[in-house]
Amino acid sequence: KAGVTQTPRYLIKTRGQQVTLSCSPISGHRSVSWYQQTPGQGLQFLFEYFSETQRNKGNFPGRFSGRQFSNSRSEMNVSTLELGDSALYLCASSLADRNTEAFFGQGTRLTVV
Amino acid sequence: KNEVEQSPQNLTAQEGEFITINCSYSVGISALHWLQQHPGGGIVSLFMLSSGKKKHGRLIATINIQEKHSSLHITASHPRDSAVYICAVRRGQNFVFGPGTRLSVLP
Repeated sequence: KAGVTQTPRYLIKTRGQQVTLSCSPISGHRSVSWYQQTPGQGLQFLFEYFSETQRNKGNFPGRFSGRQFSNSRSEMNVSTLELGDSALYLCASSLADRNTEAFFGQGTRLTVV
Repeated sequence: KNEVEQSPQNLTAQEGEFITINCSYSVGISALHWLQQHPGGGIVSLFMLSSGKKKHGRLIATINIQEKHSSLHITASHPRDSAVYICAVRRGQNFVFGPGTRLSVLP
């Protein structure tokens, strides 16, 4: 069974640009959540999608958005990139229920220059 | 005060030593996860606990819901156990993460 796949693995963007990251969950998993990891703030929750609907959102500005497709694949988008957006972006998938185990992808390392 | 705290922050051990990493939290949770992150970033979920104790190989995780405390133990530690161990609590649909414990196991 394939794990959670995130693409791309590495990305370099310039300030002001926008970026789209992709996450393919484990087959059968309907919940996908996104996290940002920075050296200063650690891991922080961005948002969670379930059945194409955003169920919850963390405390991030509106420049951070996401969506989920009917096949449960999810994308997150960051517009008007800032230097502080440089981070490791991780996604995790789980079956559905909050008490089921979550499986994490390898992450996308975004560098904004 | 952070909602999820871990101790110690950093830990260096000799190969073969018994290791304990602690996690305490201050909020109501539905489950607690222990995660392992190796250099390079990818995270592996080690355990999900809502009560009691779980064992997988040389790893043991316990949780005391009343005390709001969990421990991760590694028996017979090995250099390949060197990683950052992160405690994460499930609160509603979110995870709240601890700051992580950086473990180095020396040969």
